[in-house]
Amino acid sequence: AQSVTQPDIHITVSEGASLELRCNYSYGATPYLFWYVQSPGQGLQLLLKYFSGDTLVQGIKGFEAEFKRSQSSFNLRKPSVHWSDAAEYFCAVGPVGGYNKLIFGAGTRLAVHP
Amino acid sequence: DAGVIQSPRHEVTEMGQEVTLRCKPISGHDYLFWYRQTMMRGLELLIYFNNNVPIDDSGMPEDRFSAKMPNASFSTLKIQPSEPRDSAVYFCASSFRDGERYFGPGTRLTVT
Repeated sequence: AQSVTQPDIHITVSEGASLELRCNYSYGATPYLFWYVQSPGQGLQLLLKYFSGDTLVQGIKGFEAEFKRSQSSFNLRKPSVHWSDAAEYFCAVGPVGGYNKLIFGAGTRLAVHP
Repeated sequence: DAGVIQSPRHEVTEMGQEVTLRCKPISGHDYLFWYRQTMMRGLELLIYFNNNVPIDDSGMPEDRFSAKMPNASFSTLKIQPSEPRDSAVYFCASSFRDGERYFGPGTRLTVT
């Protein structure tokens, strides 16, 4: 069955430090992969997506993610974190029964220390 | 564009009452999704529509939940009767074809 695992529930980093959020998936074929960010009291916003091609994907707000088929992973990275990056981050995989159905991970809550 | 609009933003109701959540998708979008977010279960897809037609409602928890999309600019999610376990944040999202999914700000529902 398709699934998404985000092993880290909470992560705390210092402002200016690098960041890597982990995402592992289970999927029978080549998946579509997504990272979303949710700020407090807000809906989810798409950071980046992978459909095919270059396995290193650039997104908004300076984020990037790398698709590694051999590890079934799609980890999100940022070289230097800003205080405004504090939020919850969700990895998602699809399609499940068609493109428009995604499975979301449980999320990783990021705290940024000044 | 104002983005996806949801109302109300917060709803507090007593068990047994009917609750109606509303959503206005982004103009021109042909897909509309209803999600529920809880600490225990994370983000779950309840139902989605394409061109106002329900395509997949397999995520709707039970018969107490119903969703309608009478036209391209409006959708409702109704819970009748409501129960405390329905307390959650309900998100509406829309997209154009297979494009990016845009989420609304959510409705925080508390059933006492």
